[in-house]
Amino acid sequence: DVKVTQSSRYLVKRTGEKVFLECVQDMDHENMFWYRQDPGLGLRLIYFSYDVKMKEKGDIPEGYSVSREKKERFSLILESASTNQTSMYLCASSPTSGRGQPQHFGDGTRLSIL
Amino acid sequence: KNQVEQSPQSLIILEGKNCTLQCNYTVSPFSNLRWYKQDTGRGPVSLTIMTFSENTKSNGRYTATLDADTKQSSLHITASQLSDSASYICVVKASGGSYIPTFGRGTSLIVHP
Repeated sequence: DVKVTQSSRYLVKRTGEKVFLECVQDMDHENMFWYRQDPGLGLRLIYFSYDVKMKEKGDIPEGYSVSREKKERFSLILESASTNQTSMYLCASSPTSGRGQPQHFGDGTRLSIL
Repeated sequence: KNQVEQSPQSLIILEGKNCTLQCNYTVSPFSNLRWYKQDTGRGPVSLTIMTFSENTKSNGRYTATLDADTKQSSLHITASQLSDSASYICVVKASGGSYIPTFGRGTSLIVHP
């Protein structure tokens, strides 16, 4: 069974801090994604990566960066956290082969910026 | 622009009743449509996938339909249970080189005893 693990379920940080959210998948998937989920807005794509050291901007990349040094790990970085980045963050992975394959999601990190 | 619209935004039903959730999309060219279930505090989990040639597909008490001509899908839940309380998200993928699907905003379903 595919497992996507996010390092923290809940996180509280202060405005201006640099914040790291970590995600690890155990199924050798090429593609990894970071989303944020807000009430009434659904999931919005922040960044994705289709290979090690490769990254592409999603719909809302401002204020975020990512790192993918190893295939199984995809990190989301908030360079200088702001209160409007308080949200639920979801990581997902999927294989490249077979366009019908689903994305597999972690259980999310609920981040609060004070 | 590719879009996925879901209705209703929220729904409350009594345990044992049936319900139907709707999804309209403008994603083109169409590859597949997937319904996800997201329990509170958890990540979304795939329920079913519909491809262009499929009209109906069942997964237990969940039945998904697809009308590729009108670009509409529905998810029907039969004999609802308390455990069906969740958000249901419609996700459509275009064919071609993109790995990025288009997400609907979800329907929040609450099943009361």
